[in-house]
Amino acid sequence: KNQVEQSPQSLIILEGKNCTLQCNYTVSPFSNLRWYKQDTGRGPVSLTIMTFSENTKSNGRYTATLDADTKQSSLHITASQLSDSASYICVVSPHTGGFKTIFGAGTRLFVKA
Amino acid sequence: DADVTQTPRNRITKTGKRIMLECSQTKGHDRMYWYRQDPGLGLRLIYYSFDVKDINKGEISDGYSVSRQAQAKFSLSLESAIPNQTALYFCATSDPGPNTGELFFGEGSRLTVL
Repeated sequence: KNQVEQSPQSLIILEGKNCTLQCNYTVSPFSNLRWYKQDTGRGPVSLTIMTFSENTKSNGRYTATLDADTKQSSLHITASQLSDSASYICVVSPHTGGFKTIFGAGTRLFVKA
Repeated sequence: DADVTQTPRNRITKTGKRIMLECSQTKGHDRMYWYRQDPGLGLRLIYYSFDVKDINKGEISDGYSVSRQAQAKFSLSLESAIPNQTALYFCATSDPGPNTGELFFGEGSRLTVL
């Protein structure tokens, strides 16, 4: 069964600190993996996308990594800001003819002053 | 104005009532989707449409129906709402498709069924 699991479920960090969020997936065959940011009361917004051949992608203070062999991805946030408080959702798309994008449940990040 | 607009943003209704959630987009995308989000779960696909004449069931379509009135409009209906349909509903668009393309979400419609 295709699944996407994220850890931790929630995380509290102090402003200015770094953190890393994890995503493990069992989706096969694999097409691409995206990380989305969802602010409270808003829809998710894409941060990064990686295909099978890519192992790192940066977007400002956000850096995503992908290990296709172990089926793991991580999202590293550097020098966190209060505005980073949000849910971060890992989304994996299988390489199929239909539409089977699979969403993780997300990691809820709280950044405190 | 938002590229993907959902109405209403919040709705409280009673069991058995018919509810319609509307979605309109200005992104010019052909593909539109309705998702449901529940606490602790990933977004789940209800229905999707790849063009005006195309409607496809997602993984949790029971109890829901949709209408694609135009390229820019995609509405979700609950014919007889029940309490376990209480959730946050999102409309999304993409072009050419989510297997490669980015999903663009609306702001969400929070539905409470009493």
